[in-house]
Amino acid sequence: KQEVTQIPAALSVPEGENLVLNCSFTDSAIYNLQWFRQDPGKGLTSLLLIQSSQREQTSGRLNASLDKSSGRSTLYIAASQPGDSATYLCAAPTSEYSGAGSYQLTFGKGTKLSVIP
Amino acid sequence: KAGVTQTPRYLIKTRGQQVTLSCSPISGHRSVSWYQQTPGQGLQFLFEYFSETQRNKGNFPGRFSGRQFSNSRSEMNVSTLELGDSALYLCASSWPTDSYEQYFGPGTRLTVT
Repeated sequence: KQEVTQIPAALSVPEGENLVLNCSFTDSAIYNLQWFRQDPGKGLTSLLLIQSSQREQTSGRLNASLDKSSGRSTLYIAASQPGDSATYLCAAPTSEYSGAGSYQLTFGKGTKLSVIP
Repeated sequence: KAGVTQTPRYLIKTRGQQVTLSCSPISGHRSVSWYQQTPGQGLQFLFEYFSETQRNKGNFPGRFSGRQFSNSRSEMNVSTLELGDSALYLCASSWPTDSYEQYFGPGTRLTVT
């Protein structure tokens, strides 16, 4: 059974600081890993998806890495801004899936990020 | 391309009632998954539909059910509502997408009183 853990649960940083959010998963036989952002009371916005064959993926100030052998992924945010304040969730597919597109995601509890102006 | 839409966005129901939530996936997507999000349990998988067939179901009681129509739109139903069913219900659409990437809607906030 896939389990996903995110550390820390909350993080407060001053504006401009670079930061790293951590995600660990128990079943390393994953096809991909996805990072999401959630603003209070809102849905999930997909930030980055890393395929198992990749080691990292970048989008703007965000960089996500994946190390399947150690069961870890990190999300690096450069030059943080107050608009980055949100909860960041990582999600890995569960161990079982059948057929194209048929799988469920197991989510971590998230890291609540506050960027102080 | 329009994103995933969910209706209604907010609902208030009374214990014992039933509720139906709707999800329209991104045009061309054929897979729709539903998740429940609560402060205590986080995001939990409810079920997944693909081509009108339920392919996966999470660990929820039979009061939670769903279906998918031929146009890939999906509905989920919760019967005999309990206070603990208060949550944000999110649906995600997928496939064919790059690497099965999941795209989420804004959610339906259900409050049971």
